[in-house]
Amino acid sequence: NAGVTQTPKFRVLKTGQSMTLLCAQDMNHEYMYWYRQDPGMGLRLIHYSVGEGTTAKGEVPDGYNVSRLKKQNFLLGLESAAPSQTSVYFCASSQSRVLEQFFGPGTRLTVL
Amino acid sequence: TQLLEQSPQFLSIQEGENLTVYCNSSSVFSSLQWYRQEPGEGPVLLVTVVTGGEVKKLKRLTFQFGDARKDSSLHITAAQPGDTGLYLCAGLQTGANNLFFGTGTRLTVIP
Repeated sequence: NAGVTQTPKFRVLKTGQSMTLLCAQDMNHEYMYWYRQDPGMGLRLIHYSVGEGTTAKGEVPDGYNVSRLKKQNFLLGLESAAPSQTSVYFCASSQSRVLEQFFGPGTRLTVL
Repeated sequence: TQLLEQSPQFLSIQEGENLTVYCNSSSVFSSLQWYRQEPGEGPVLLVTVVTGGEVKKLKRLTFQFGDARKDSSLHITAAQPGDTGLYLCAGLQTGANNLFFGTGTRLTVIP
């Protein structure tokens, strides 16, 4: 039982490049979330999903897209990376909106 | 501006001391969660409080939800080096699908 896994763990991009971060969970959770964590800002929600095939915008969605084609996977895409997207990205899942969120180990992204 | 403000932002104390971390907002929350995050890892849930005025204890940690459900506090008694980490509060507003996380308090307990 791996919980929530994220790939890759680290990535360096040049401005304008694209990439996709993969989040997978094996707990059959309905809800999945993508956050970014910056110093002094806590965690800010980028996008989230309340079930397979659904997505919704969070607090800071600009410059990101997401897809949830399978219940266990939630993909976060950056179409044209910018230095302001340098951050640590966390994926989380939960069975419902009121219950505990389980987090992955994070992806550290640097955009040069 | 952040919906949830935590104070202090940084706290460095000696082993054995007591401390309190605050989580404040002008908004009302239906529930509030506290997480702890260690370096290189994702946050892990410590507790959830749902009733105004509620107090929950987890060994040396005491959590309180404000009567008006706009604020919360975390008190640690006799801090230990193992308590070192980033403490995050997160609130759920009525009808919302997502948590709002606080700005975080980074605690260092010196042996």
